[in-house]
Amino acid sequence: DTVLTQSPALAVSPGERVTISCRASESVSTGMHWYQQKPGQQPKLLIYGASNLESGVPARFSGSGSGTDFTLTIDPVEADDTATYFCQQSWNDWTFGGGTKLELK
Amino acid sequence: EVQLVESGGGLVQPGRSLKLSCAASGFTFSNYGMAWVRQAPTKGLEWVATISYDGSSTYYRDSVKGRFTISRDNAKSTLYLQMDSLRSEDTATYYCARHEMGLDWFAYWGQGTLVTVSS
Repeated sequence: DTVLTQSPALAVSPGERVTISCRASESVSTGMHWYQQKPGQQPKLLIYGASNLESGVPARFSGSGSGTDFTLTIDPVEADDTATYFCQQSWNDWTFGGGTKLELK
Repeated sequence: EVQLVESGGGLVQPGRSLKLSCAASGFTFSNYGMAWVRQAPTKGLEWVATISYDGSSTYYRDSVKGRFTISRDNAKSTLYLQMDSLRSEDTATYYCARHEMGLDWFAYWGQGTLVTVSS
């Protein structure tokens, strides 16, 4: 199985830039996607194909990377961005990262 | 508007069975691969099973192979997950999700249905 590793938590101040990382145990090409999940809600797609912004998602969100290292960037961070962010790969079956909980200071 | 509505969750004893349903609307169901993704309480997301647009191909995570069966009825625009020999570790909210670009990412998710396996 392709294991995706994310840092568990981050804390930033509103207006700052934050990068959330995801490392794959083997290459997934650009088959990496990012989701936002708020408590009690279903996940919401933000980025697909490593760097493509889903329709309706604010341009403050962006994605980059290929192979094994990927990042989700939020710039600038807003209070409403408090959530857990998951990466997911679709190159070798389908797996999710453990999630990064973003808190605002 | 795309809608996915899960049902069938509940409390079930270990070793028993449960069948989940996901009613789809707002899109041509028979054109899309579909999946079940689960989330144990306070835990991360875990892909469970995927089925191709026509039901000809199915895929499962190792821990549910031989116990869970994903299926679909395109005439009814409904996705199913038959869960047999349930274990305590299957306790989770189960989400129905629509694959995009064949069997790639998930652009649409249902609200989830909670399955609790406990005696």
